[in-house]
Amino acid sequence: DAGITQSPRHKVTETGTPVTLRCHQTENHRYMYWYRQDPGHGLRLIHYSYGVKDTDKGEVSDGYSVSRSKTEDFLLTLESATSSQTSVYFCAISLSPTGAGANVLTFGAGSRLTVL
Amino acid sequence: DQQVKQNSPSLSVQEGRISILNCDYTNSMFDYFLWYKKYPAEGPTFLISISSIKDKNEDGRFTVFLNKSAKHLSLHIVPSQPGDSAVYFCAAVSPSGSARQLTFGSGTQLTVLP
Repeated sequence: DAGITQSPRHKVTETGTPVTLRCHQTENHRYMYWYRQDPGHGLRLIHYSYGVKDTDKGEVSDGYSVSRSKTEDFLLTLESATSSQTSVYFCAISLSPTGAGANVLTFGAGSRLTVL
Repeated sequence: DQQVKQNSPSLSVQEGRISILNCDYTNSMFDYFLWYKKYPAEGPTFLISISSIKDKNEDGRFTVFLNKSAKHLSLHIVPSQPGDSAVYFCAAVSPSGSARQLTFGSGTQLTVLP
């Protein structure tokens, strides 16, 4: 494995409760990403980070916030979970997407979240 | 509006035969394309990529073809093996922005029958 750990791997929660998913990397990669995977939609980018305290929104950022206080940790928070946020969440890292070459992401194993 | 489309949700192939997975895109500014493979309960893993200036890239049993005029790419797996059974995602890289974001298709479930 590329040194990406997601926690928790599984979580069941109720509508309206806050949820935080954690991504921890040991690769010292600058770029980190949060994606969600849903049937029929593939993987969609929620937020990404290009350095400590530097984050930006992705395609489906509504209802989510992120924080990166250390290079190795990228947190995804659902302030008030809704049933539409039931999904599998993947964290990914990238060494250096700028410049030439394909931006090859390395993914974690995923966190399955169920919001009842 | 999906910029990257995989129109076949599933594909079944006999072991030893060729598997062809297809992907269409709409944004002519994409400059790289990647294929990822995903097994159940695991994260996607990178398989192969191709630059928009090439029309073919080969890596062992895996070959990706790019037809820019048709905005179409395909992944060929020859010969197919039961261990290739997985969901395959194509992805395209946007050249602009600091993160060169990947846009993924919806995936194709490949089943290789023994």
